[in-house]
Amino acid sequence: SAVISQKPSRDICQRGTSLTIQCQVDSQVTMMFWYRQQPGQSLTLIATANQGSEATYESGFVIDKFPISRPNLTFSTLTVSNLSPEDSSIYLCSVARQDGYTFGSGTRLTVV
Amino acid sequence: QQQVKQSPQSLIVQKGGISIINCAYENTAFDYFPWYQQFPGKGPALLIAIRPDVSEKKEGRFTISFNKSAKQFSLHIMDSQPGDSATYFCGGTSAGGYQKVTFGTGTKLQVIP
Repeated sequence: SAVISQKPSRDICQRGTSLTIQCQVDSQVTMMFWYRQQPGQSLTLIATANQGSEATYESGFVIDKFPISRPNLTFSTLTVSNLSPEDSSIYLCSVARQDGYTFGSGTRLTVV
Repeated sequence: QQQVKQSPQSLIVQKGGISIINCAYENTAFDYFPWYQQFPGKGPALLIAIRPDVSEKKEGRFTISFNKSAKQFSLHIMDSQPGDSATYFCGGTSAGGYQKVTFGTGTKLQVIP
């Protein structure tokens, strides 16, 4: 399956600041997905990132709060902006390939 | 996102027993149904997946049973071990698994010695 490197693995941020999460895949993929997992909860899709086009956001998620970049077929970033304690979650990137749908190890964000 | 309903929310099984987790979906366009295993502090890991053209898929101790007419599928873990203690998520997606996955709510499994 795909190898996904996600950084940082965890961070503690002050409210009002931003955090950018990086996701690097070991091979080219068309679509990359960003999920949020709140404590003890399931995974909720934030957006789908396609190379060369704007990300597609799910209901309840907006570009101003969660800007995404996808500069090439192996890399994407998710920024969580204007942080509040409600943004404390695990953020995960994932990709779909023929051998399955693979997740990174996640970024645990704590907002204080 | 159309729902995938998962039950039970939590499950305690004796070592050596069978763990059964059930899911039901709404979206008839789904054609790929994965199961994920997640340990604390880790990202979900793909465990096993099935397509609707088969009714059962087995990989080692893990079996998926699929009922297309009822829009239900389940994960069976045979000879459950303490190392299987984790949270399990079912999911559904379309386009053969190349689209976004809609996840169930998760089942926390505890296997006791």
